[in-house]
Amino acid sequence: ETGVTQSPTHLIKTRGQQVTLRCSSQSGHNTVSWYQQALGQGPQFIFQYYREEENGRGNFPPRFSGLQFPNYSSELNVNALELDDSALYLCASSPASSGGGRTGELFFGEGSRLTVL
Amino acid sequence: GQSLEQPSEVTAVEGAIVQINCTYQTSGFYGLSWYQQHDGGAPTFLSYNALDGLEETGRFSSFLSRSDSYGYLLLQELQMKDSASYFCAVNKAGTALIFGKGTTLSVSS
Repeated sequence: ETGVTQSPTHLIKTRGQQVTLRCSSQSGHNTVSWYQQALGQGPQFIFQYYREEENGRGNFPPRFSGLQFPNYSSELNVNALELDDSALYLCASSPASSGGGRTGELFFGEGSRLTVL
Repeated sequence: GQSLEQPSEVTAVEGAIVQINCTYQTSGFYGLSWYQQHDGGAPTFLSYNALDGLEETGRFSSFLSRSDSYGYLLLQELQMKDSASYFCAVNKAGTALIFGKGTTLSVSS
């Protein structure tokens, strides 16, 4: 069973640029959520996808957008990067059997560390 | 709003028992989860309380009291490898997890 994988692991961008982060969910999981974790803080919920539809969103501006594909993999896109976007971006998946995280158990990837200069 | 409060740091020695508290100001959530994260790696699930009371999983136990808006994670027989950040989180509407800011546990020999 393959776990959640994310790419790239590290990247550096400059203000105003755009970035795409990718996530492959764990086998059998159809729900994917994205989190932003600033240094020394807890993960903050960005949005969640279930069967290719966004079904939950946190307090993030529209320049944060996403996609989920038929194979349940997902992308996070951030436009017009700002310095405060520098963070670890975590992807998590959960199986439908758990109600999309209803058991409180999400399976996280190692994250993509974004630095905005 | 909704928030979860945890102590920022806790220190202990090997073999000891430590309790990490979590108080929250939110309602309508399914349960309280606990996650461990080593040095910015992937958060890993430790425990979940859907109902009030104690849940035990090996050396780790977790407790929830909805009437007191309070929960805790209890770590027994501490080992050096337990040095990490610990987060409490609530899941609302069976979807998103809302995390606390985390507690850094340092275990010394």
